[in-house]
Amino acid sequence: DQQVKQNSPSLSVQEGRISILNCDYTNSMFDYFLWYKKYPAEGPTFLISISSIKDKNEDGRFTVFLNKSAKHLSLHIVPSQPGDSAVYFCAASARYNFNKFYFGSGTKLNVKP
Amino acid sequence: EADIYQTPRYLVIGTGKKITLECSQTMGHDKMYWYQQDPGMELHLIHYSYGVNSTEKGDLSSESTVSRIRTEHFPLTLESARPSHTSQYLCASGIPGEKLFFGSGTQLSVL
Repeated sequence: DQQVKQNSPSLSVQEGRISILNCDYTNSMFDYFLWYKKYPAEGPTFLISISSIKDKNEDGRFTVFLNKSAKHLSLHIVPSQPGDSAVYFCAASARYNFNKFYFGSGTKLNVKP
Repeated sequence: EADIYQTPRYLVIGTGKKITLECSQTMGHDKMYWYQQDPGMELHLIHYSYGVNSTEKGDLSSESTVSRIRTEHFPLTLESARPSHTSQYLCASGIPGEKLFFGSGTQLSVL
């Protein structure tokens, strides 16, 4: 049973516009969320995280929003750049078991020049 | 930023061979992980370790085994590789409640 879901396998955006990647989770015990970026044949690299005590966290062009009541988070990239083209994974963990991170299936972002 | 290394990056082998995928980190992390990922799918946790001489199986059943004799080293072994083992294997280490650092991965193809 997949506890973290990314329902959009792919997203195509024009350079300079906003990219919005979405993620839903089912386990209400999750209280820490992360976004990773992955290029083909490489390991994921950490982008940004958010704790459940916040509803927004920003880092440069990247902003993550958390809606706990909807069990939904999103990653906004503004402005999008061609170098942002990659697969983006969201991940979640729970305070009672920080040893485990649960990952979604990823969204492949293509930023067109 | 990440100081976690995996070798080999790519491996093509025949069915029945024994293989070991290497993973080392220099960050002194106690927690280390092995994930398996197929294209378009989520990362599945197959093994993790709390520290030296501590290993646990993950959520996805795997025929592989792991060992943790030294803090920095967490190798994964397949005694007899099969085509169903073809996948990308990702090693990670991290601090609970913070983030995971991933290696570059090993792309395994079993013919």
